[in-house]
Amino acid sequence: LAKTTQPISMDSYEGQEVNITCSHNNIATNDYITWYQQFPSQGPRFIIQGYKTKVTNEVASLFIPADRKSSTLSLPRVSLSDTAVYYCLVGDKRPYSGAGSYQLTFGKGTKLSVIP
Amino acid sequence: NAGVTQTPKFRVLKTGQSMTLLCAQDMNHEYMYWYRQDPGMGLRLIHYSVGEGTTAKGEVPDGYNVSRLKKQNFLLGLESAAPSQTSVYFCASSSRASPEDEQYFGPGTRLTVT
Repeated sequence: LAKTTQPISMDSYEGQEVNITCSHNNIATNDYITWYQQFPSQGPRFIIQGYKTKVTNEVASLFIPADRKSSTLSLPRVSLSDTAVYYCLVGDKRPYSGAGSYQLTFGKGTKLSVIP
Repeated sequence: NAGVTQTPKFRVLKTGQSMTLLCAQDMNHEYMYWYRQDPGMGLRLIHYSVGEGTTAKGEVPDGYNVSRLKKQNFLLGLESAAPSQTSVYFCASSSRASPEDEQYFGPGTRLTVT
């Protein structure tokens, strides 16, 4: 399973664009990159997912360079409500075999604090 | 449509006591997961299930048992609680078992073992 590295924390002022970069140097050919958001005292919530180039939805954009060894989650014009922990997850598409363990690693995430 | 629900929300146990955490989902998902989250550790997978009657070990399975007797329910059991099991437990479900498939999480159960 590809290991990911993210900054532990980031601060940003309201209204600014925030970019959180995740490194995944040993990403495999079939791996997807997924980002989750977790507010305090809540379970994580899916934000966005991609395989290559750029993906955009109503919440965020995900930029993935050609070598796929990193990815950047971009949050446009953040507000106080975007204060949360953001997790980068790189997926292994092994099918379930029933014989071994299947690890899904969220890592420690990036704590984003938005300042008024 | 409640999504994923967890029971109870909070619990305090004494060392050696047992308890069962219940997770229920109403999305007809095949796959369900139990995670624990400790401060500074992120989420770690305890056990998972890819269908009714099946379970498998995750990253940190020791000290826990699980059962999936019904498709919509996934139970996590602690037979003899230890202080090291103090944590927040999250249940999740997905339509498939691959990380590229969105997981839907419950609100969590905060467990303290004294």
